Amino acid sequence: GENVEQHPSTLSVQEGDSAVIKCTYSDSASNYFPWYKQELGKRPQLIIDIRSNVGEKKDQRIAVTLNKTAKHFSLHITETQPEDSAVYFCALPGPGTYKYIFGTGTRLKVLA
Amino acid sequence: SAVISQKPSRDICQRGTSLTIQCQVDSQVTMMFWYRQQPGQSLTLIATANQGSEATYESGFVIDKFPISRPNLTFSTLTVSNMSPEDSSIYLCSVAVLTGKETQYFGPGTRLLVL
Repeated sequence: GENVEQHPSTLSVQEGDSAVIKCTYSDSASNYFPWYKQELGKRPQLIIDIRSNVGEKKDQRIAVTLNKTAKHFSLHITETQPEDSAVYFCALPGPGTYKYIFGTGTRLKVLA
Repeated sequence: SAVISQKPSRDICQRGTSLTIQCQVDSQVTMMFWYRQQPGQSLTLIATANQGSEATYESGFVIDKFPISRPNLTFSTLTVSNMSPEDSSIYLCSVAVLTGKETQYFGPGTRLLVL
């Protein structure tokens, strides 16, 4: 079955620096790649997603890149701010389904 | 995106009892799912709630322990039966509106503590 590996598990950056989180998957048929942010005590919220027909997508300080050949996709946060501190999850719909497999999560701390 | 509510938001229960969690969406959605998130962990899919038929369970989850109902396109319930402390988790429902994207949106979650 599909497998998703997410790294790193924790990440601390200074305010203003960039953060990169990477997910690697196994099924080459995957074609939709969302990222969720979960603040403490709150629900996961979609922050950005990408389809396999594009290699990069940006939304202000957040971007997602996709390398289908290498089977990985990454979340990039630039000019980090304290409010970016949260747990970030990548997710992957299983092939032929709408069920998600979630990565193990990355706890990002932005130090002021 | 859809507006999703869950009830209760939290509960403390005694072992051996059951709790039913409700998920309500403000619009008709095609897919509804139930997840478990244990403390400090990722989200694990329990089952897909099918409208008008039995839910589809993932490996490791069974209907006797987690009975699910979905009587219509906007409402679903998850029951956690015969609870033990190991069932202490956050339970989240999610919905997907199939408009060419497989995006899922999550309810606020139910925080369950079993003593």
